[in-house]
Amino acid sequence: KAGVTQTPRYLIKTRGQQVTLSCSPISGHRSVSWYQQTPGQGLQFLFEYFSETQRNKGNFPGRFSGRQFSNSRSEMNVSTLELGDSALYLCASSRRGAGEKLFFGSGTQLSVL
Amino acid sequence: QQQVKQSPQSLIVQKGGIPIINCAYENTAFDYFPWYQQFPGKGPALLIAIRPDVSEKKEGRFTISFNKSAKQFSLHIMDSQPGDSATYFCAATSWDTGGFKTIFGAGTRLFVKA
Repeated sequence: KAGVTQTPRYLIKTRGQQVTLSCSPISGHRSVSWYQQTPGQGLQFLFEYFSETQRNKGNFPGRFSGRQFSNSRSEMNVSTLELGDSALYLCASSRRGAGEKLFFGSGTQLSVL
Repeated sequence: QQQVKQSPQSLIVQKGGIPIINCAYENTAFDYFPWYQQFPGKGPALLIAIRPDVSEKKEGRFTISFNKSAKQFSLHIMDSQPGDSATYFCAATSWDTGGFKTIFGAGTRLFVKA
């Protein structure tokens, strides 16, 4: 059974640009959640999608957005990139939601120059 | 109130030792407490989890102790091995405004010396 796949693995952007990250969950998993990981802040919850609907979101500015498609694949978009957006972005999938076992991808390492 | 406080930040033990990582929370709505293990270059992977109606859970060499009244829980790694060297995150999950939200601790970097 394939795991959670995140693409691309690495990304380098400049301030002001926008970026789109992709996450393919494990087959049969309908919940996808996104996290930002930085050395100083640990894992910060961004948002959770279930059956194409955003069910919950963390305390991030509106520049961070996401969506989920009918096949449960999810994308996360960050507009007007800032230096502080440099981080490892992780996506996790589960059958029903974050209240059970989360399966994480290896993440997308975003560097903003 | 949404925070999960984890300590220590880093830990070094000898092979065979029993590292203990502690976490504390405030929000009594949390009802699922997982621990995740993360190796460099990889995403976190679930190690063991507990619900608040249980005071202890063991899976192999890993044990969670849970104190509901103190709102604290801890991870013990028995007979630790160099391969256990990783970053460990505690977490707490609640149902919040129509969806689940999982809050992670800041992480503990464990190094097990051979």
